[in-house]
Amino acid sequence: QVQLVQSGAEVKKPGASVKVSCMPSGYIFTDYYIHWVRQAPGHGLEWMGLIDPRGGSTTYGRKFQGRVTMTRDTSASTVYMELSSLTSEDTAVYYCARDWTTRGRADWFDPWGQGTLVTVSS
Amino acid sequence: DIVMNQSPDSLAVSLGQRATINCKSSQSLLSSFTNQNYLAWYQQKPGQPPKLLIYWASTRESGVPDRFSGSGSGTDFTLTISSLQAEDVAVYHCQQYYTSPLTFGGGTRVEIK
Repeated sequence: QVQLVQSGAEVKKPGASVKVSCMPSGYIFTDYYIHWVRQAPGHGLEWMGLIDPRGGSTTYGRKFQGRVTMTRDTSASTVYMELSSLTSEDTAVYYCARDWTTRGRADWFDPWGQGTLVTVSS
Repeated sequence: DIVMNQSPDSLAVSLGQRATINCKSSQSLLSSFTNQNYLAWYQQKPGQPPKLLIYWASTRESGVPDRFSGSGSGTDFTLTISSLQAEDVAVYHCQQYYTSPLTFGGGTRVEIK
C-alpha cells in the first residue's frame, strides 16, 4: 500500500537548520509531486511548498521563500525539506503529503506522512 | 492570499445526529474555465495525519463513507456528517487549491455530546 515514512523528531536551537526526510513507497517515486505542510501547536495547517521528484523543480510558499529548500534523491526514493534560521515560531509537526494525481498537480493531498515534530528551543 | 474561515471552532453532536461544518473563503473558488470549486476537506483524528475526504467541494474520495457530503459554491461551503458515528470524532479542515499559496481553514473539532 502507499505510505510516506518520515524521519524522527528533532530538537533544534534558535538560528539552526533542520532537515526532514520523507520516503514514499508503494508507487513509482517520480510519478507524484510531494507537498510539505506544517501544523504548529494549537494552530491550523500551513502549506510550505512542493517538489516534483521527477525533475526536482520546486514551488515554495511566499512566507517560506529564502528559508526553505526542498530536494530529492531519486536513488534513495526520498525527498527532503530543510528549513533554516529557525525560531520558536517554527515549532510544529511537519508533514509530507503526496499530490492526488499523476497528471501534473491537483494540489490536494493523499496520503500524508506520519509527521515529524520539530521543536525549537534554547 | 486566500483566507479560509471555518465555523464553528468546535461542536458537540449526539450519536446519530447531523453535524454541519462551514467554510468561507475570502474570494471565490469557482473557476469559470472548469466550472469547478477548488476546495477539499480533510479529517484529522487525534495523533494522526489528515486524511482526504472530499475534493472539488463535493466529490467523495474513494472509500469515504457516504454519510460525509460536501456542498456549496463560490465562497461558502459546508461539510455535513449526516449521522455522526463515534469514529468521526476528529478535527475537520477545509483547503483551497484555487491559487497559490494553498491555504487551509483553522479547523473544526467535532465531539460527541
